[in-house]
Amino acid sequence: AQSVTQPDIHITVSEGASLELRCNYSYGATPYLFWYVQSPGQGLQLLLKYFSGDTLVQGIKGFEAEFKRSQSSFNLRKPSVHWSDAAEYFCAVGARNYGQNFVFGPGTRLSVLP
Amino acid sequence: DTGVSQNPRHKITKRGQNVTFRCDPISEHNRLYWYRQTLGQGPEFLTYFQNEAQLEKSRLLSDRFSAERPKGSFSTLEIQRTEQGDSAMYLCASSYSTGELFFGEGSRLTVL
Repeated sequence: AQSVTQPDIHITVSEGASLELRCNYSYGATPYLFWYVQSPGQGLQLLLKYFSGDTLVQGIKGFEAEFKRSQSSFNLRKPSVHWSDAAEYFCAVGARNYGQNFVFGPGTRLSVLP
Repeated sequence: DTGVSQNPRHKITKRGQNVTFRCDPISEHNRLYWYRQTLGQGPEFLTYFQNEAQLEKSRLLSDRFSAERPKGSFSTLEIQRTEQGDSAMYLCASSYSTGELFFGEGSRLTVL
């Protein structure tokens, strides 16, 4: 079964600074990988996904993530953070076989200082 | 495309009562998932359907929980004899085959 770790529980950055959120996964083959964002009291919104091909994927709101097979990582990055990016971020892994569910990490809470 | 819809958005109930949540997925999606999320945690998988068939259930889904998806359209999640530990956000998501999940805004359950 797949699993996901997000080592950072809470990160605080200043507006305009760069951001990197870490995600490591465990899965026996090449997984599907996702980043979702959740604002307080809301559902989850997809930021970006990796299925195959180019290991650097672009998402919405200026986010990007890089799949590194050798490190089993899928870190999320943004060059310049905006105050509206403050939210909870979840990395998720989905198996490629039918009958498997999506597993989410514990999340990283992002705070943005003005 | 109106997105995934969940009702009610918030339910407050007394311990021992039964509650039911409804999820209407995106119409062309054949897969429907239920997740539970407690404060400060990531979503935990409960169960999922492909069309009307319930294909997988988590060990988290005790005998008091039941989910249905009649006719492969909307789904209901019922919790019988609620306990305080059931207080959580219940998230529904849908997808087309193994594509990404699209989430609803969730149904928050508070058990007093």
